[in-house]
Amino acid sequence: QKEVEQNSGPLSVPEGAIASLNCTYSDRGSQSFFWYRQYSGKSPELIMFIYSNGDKEDGRFTAQLNKASQYVSLLIRDSQPSDSATYLCAVNQSSYKLIFGSGTRLLVRP
Amino acid sequence: DGGITQSPKYLFRKEGQNVTLSCEQNLNHDAMYWYRQDPGQGLRLIYYSQIVNDFQKGDIAEGYSVSREKKESFPLTVTSAQKNPTAFYLCASSEQGGYQPQHFGDGTRLSIL
Repeated sequence: QKEVEQNSGPLSVPEGAIASLNCTYSDRGSQSFFWYRQYSGKSPELIMFIYSNGDKEDGRFTAQLNKASQYVSLLIRDSQPSDSATYLCAVNQSSYKLIFGSGTRLLVRP
Repeated sequence: DGGITQSPKYLFRKEGQNVTLSCEQNLNHDAMYWYRQDPGQGLRLIYYSQIVNDFQKGDIAEGYSVSREKKESFPLTVTSAQKNPTAFYLCASSEQGGYQPQHFGDGTRLSIL
């Protein structure tokens, strides 16, 4: 079993819709959770992080964490073609070690 | 502007050659990291350093070496022992204290000649 699992996609949504990206993790002791956006050929860019159960909102982005079920999700409201990218979920295995999922490719259709 | 600078952007290695990738940060971060990304895959940790003059192996350290002589700098050497070095190499840094977000440089793409 992979430590951090994501559906590889592509997830295709129409412009203006809500995109929902999911991630599950295996280590119950994980403390912090991150979402990175990576455009093709570029480096990852941090877009959200969450430490506590529940929702955290930042603009069009909402991160949701459920530690009991060991999943974290990212919602993107009013999706734009510029949101088309690969979204990487990362989970702390220890205080200094991040484990990355393989990413979900999101396509936003104009 | 504060940030992480990686150089060169593209690098080519000949057989039997060691190459060094540069990573410099001016964010005053204590912790620095090196990752490798292969096409269609997530990032895998090569080495990390929490403090000057100290570093630890990550999951795929074989064939790589690092040094941390200055807080701002964390160079990665890809040695000839690394038989499949073609990949996208990413340097990151984070604040002290653990569980902090990591921020990435623009990466170096290494290929074999």
